[in-house]
Amino acid sequence: DTGVSQDPRHKITKRGQNVTFRCDPISEHNRLYWYRQTLGQGPEFLTYFQNEAQLEKSRLLSDRFSAERPKGSFSTLEIQRTEQGDSAMYLCASSPGPKQFFGPGTRLTVL
Amino acid sequence: AQTVTQSQPEMSVQEAETVTLSCTYDTSESNYYLFWYKQPPSRQMILVIRQEAYKQQNATENRFSVNFQKAAKSFSLKISDSQLGDTAMYFCAFMKLLNNFNKFYFGSGTKLNVKP
Repeated sequence: DTGVSQDPRHKITKRGQNVTFRCDPISEHNRLYWYRQTLGQGPEFLTYFQNEAQLEKSRLLSDRFSAERPKGSFSTLEIQRTEQGDSAMYLCASSPGPKQFFGPGTRLTVL
Repeated sequence: AQTVTQSQPEMSVQEAETVTLSCTYDTSESNYYLFWYKQPPSRQMILVIRQEAYKQQNATENRFSVNFQKAAKSFSLKISDSQLGDTAMYFCAFMKLLNNFNKFYFGSGTKLNVKP
């Protein structure tokens, strides 16, 4: 399967801990997006990479959040000092143009 | 700011019947794309259909078609001959074209239940 993959699929952590998620996009896609989706809502944009450059960040992305795409391939999203309000599904999508392909998401639960 | 509104939180339809999901959006842009995505329970989002704003002809993909009314800023999805596998959350999305990046805005979704 050459679709977008995300790891882990589920993460349970205690408040105050740091977590890191990984996204592997479709290999030929140079654009990569991170979204957050809470229950009963649509995805909300967090950040965007074109190749290795982070070109756009949402105001939703507080200073506890950081994302990287070091070689323009996979990307990581780290949340430091997690809070209960961070509990959500974190979605990654990759794109060759005006069409996005989503990964299965990482469901984060902060206790 | 762009907003996407899906006013139907949940809908039901009998298998083999037709259902229409509503979506309206607000923008001052003239060039943009609209999408419908499907998110089955516990599964990833997949693209159902796409419409370019500059095209007057409504997009169709097999049993799925849209009614795109640009002046009214309306973009509804019609599902014909509904199947049990169509049961899912459906999200309407607006894509704004920026210099370096295409920004997507999603509605809050409509949960569709197809009943046997």
